[in-house]
Amino acid sequence: DIQMTQSPSSLSASVGDRVTITCRASQSISDYLNWYQQKPGKAPKLLIHAPSSLQSGVPSRFSASGSGTDFTLTISSLQPEDFATYSCQQTFSTPYTFGQGTKLEIK
Amino acid sequence: QVQLVQSGAEVKKPGASVKVSCKASGYTFTGYYLHWVRQAPGQGLEWMGRINPDSGGTHYAQRFQGRVTMTRDTSIGTAYMELSRLRSDDSVVYFCARGDDILSGYSDAFEIWGQGTVVTVSS
Repeated sequence: DIQMTQSPSSLSASVGDRVTITCRASQSISDYLNWYQQKPGKAPKLLIHAPSSLQSGVPSRFSASGSGTDFTLTISSLQPEDFATYSCQQTFSTPYTFGQGTKLEIK
Repeated sequence: QVQLVQSGAEVKKPGASVKVSCKASGYTFTGYYLHWVRQAPGQGLEWMGRINPDSGGTHYAQRFQGRVTMTRDTSIGTAYMELSRLRSDDSVVYFCARGDDILSGYSDAFEIWGQGTVVTVSS
């Protein structure tokens, strides 16, 4: 199975900050990497789908890059509604695997 | 509107089985893969497998092989996930999620999610 490792596991930031979350795959996954946002008690929401494409309706302050094994999600200017948990997912091969999540908290 | 609606919370005894349903609406049910994902409290997401609603073909994560069965009823646009021989660590939230267009998709990203079904396994 392909292991997905996110860093950091948690992050404190302020409204207006620029934040970057990284995701590393245990082997090359080309560009088959998706990003999700999840709020407590809710289902995940797709933000970015491979290859680094913003999902319809997602604000342009979200962006993603990377290929192979190293990927990043960037939020250019944090808004109050962005405080949530972010997870990466590889869909290069089954079993599809997710990172453990990065909890973004208000500083 | 495109949505997936799951069945309600379940309480089961160890060793029993649970069957969760996922009703699709607002799109062609047989045109998109349907995945099942679970999440333990405070933990990450875990992919269990997927079904091709058109053919009925399935692909399960190895760790659930032999315990999970995914089926569908195309006449009512509903997918099902049955998990048998339940253990206490199966007490998690189960989600269904729509993947890619079966014919032309690329990423198989999970664009649409059900609201989740809480399963509690307790004696």
